[in-house]
Amino acid sequence: DAGVIQSPRHEVTEMGQEVTLRCKPISGHNSLFWYRQTMMRGLELLIYFNNNVPIDDSGMPEDRFSAKMPNASFSTLKIQPSEPRDSAVYFCASRIGGSGANVLTFGAGSRLTVL
Amino acid sequence: GQSLEQPSEVTAVEGAIVQINCTYQTSGFYGLSWYQQHDGGAPTFLSYNALDGLEETGRFSSFLSRSDSYGYLLLQELQMKDSASYFCALNTGFQKLVFGTGTRLLVSP
Repeated sequence: DAGVIQSPRHEVTEMGQEVTLRCKPISGHNSLFWYRQTMMRGLELLIYFNNNVPIDDSGMPEDRFSAKMPNASFSTLKIQPSEPRDSAVYFCASRIGGSGANVLTFGAGSRLTVL
Repeated sequence: GQSLEQPSEVTAVEGAIVQINCTYQTSGFYGLSWYQQHDGGAPTFLSYNALDGLEETGRFSSFLSRSDSYGYLLLQELQMKDSASYFCALNTGFQKLVFGTGTRLLVSP
């Protein structure tokens, strides 16, 4: 299995531009999570999906952020317009269903720099 | 809400044993997980405690005490490759993981 695949790995953009981050979860995993990591705030849960349905988006910082999961194998996180404070590493993670250890498998992350 | 506190940094030498503590505040949770993250890498799962007590996985062990709102990760026979950040995380239900502040472990020769 190729694991959780994220793209792009690095993105540098200017303030005001739209940014789209992409994620392909592990096949068979039915939950998908978007996290943001910064030095100041650590790992923050932005939103998660279960069976392609958004369950909790309370961590999405503001209306500039949106996430979609049109099917079981693809999700996007969009920031429009982007701001310098959005600079962070954005991780996508997936999890197989059922109870237990809640083991998340993370992708390699997308490092976003907004100038 | 939930909050988890960890020491920001711990140092140790190769071959030693180190303990990384995690204290938390929550109204309820299912278990405590530990993740490892190397610089520039992604967090990877290490261990999970659903019940009080010690869980052992090779050189790593994790402990949970619900009555003390406390857990720790124990790393034995430290190796240079163990230099990384370590995060505790609460499984708060509804499939959510809330992560702690992270502890940076520096292993020296």
